[in-house]
Amino acid sequence: KAGVTQTPRYLIKTRGQQVTLSCSPISGHRSVSWYQQTPGQGLQFLFEYFSETQRNKGNFPGRFSGRQFSNSRSEMNVSTLELGDSALYLCASSLELAGVYEQFFGPGTRLTVL
Amino acid sequence: KQEVTQIPAALSVPEGENLVLNCSFTDSAIYNLQWFRQDPGKGLTSLLLIQSSQREQTSGRLNASLDKSSGRSTLYIAASQPGDSATYLCAVLTSGTYKYIFGTGTRLKVLA
Repeated sequence: KAGVTQTPRYLIKTRGQQVTLSCSPISGHRSVSWYQQTPGQGLQFLFEYFSETQRNKGNFPGRFSGRQFSNSRSEMNVSTLELGDSALYLCASSLELAGVYEQFFGPGTRLTVL
Repeated sequence: KQEVTQIPAALSVPEGENLVLNCSFTDSAIYNLQWFRQDPGKGLTSLLLIQSSQREQTSGRLNASLDKSSGRSTLYIAASQPGDSATYLCAVLTSGTYKYIFGTGTRLKVLA
């Protein structure tokens, strides 16, 4: 069974540009969460989607947005990039079954903003 | 607001030692708690998940316990090996949310 896949794996952008990251969850998983990981702030929750609906959102500015498609694949978009957006962006998928909500992570997308 | 703390931040031990990593959380109304391992520059690997109704979970040399009333979880690693060197993260899912809150991690180095 394939794991969570994220594309691209590495990305270099300049300030002011926008970027779109993609996440394909494990087959059958309908929940997708996004996290930002930086050395200073650790892992911070961005948002979570289930069946194309955003169920929860972290404390990030409106420049960060996401969506989920009917096949559960998800994208996140960051507009007007800032230097501080340089980070590892991680996606996790979950199968909510019998009250268990376990997250499985992808390898991440390393974004560098110059 | 749920806050998760992990102590110690870093740990260096000789091979073969048994060790305990600690995770504390401020809101005991949790749905479950998950332990992960992260190798440098990589994604997270799920190690153990403990549901709120459980007290512990075991997988191989790993044992995780949960004490909701005191807001604590421990990850016990038996007979540590150099391959166990990584950062270990705990994450808490608070009841009524779909949002895991992560601790800052414990960076473990096992010396051969």
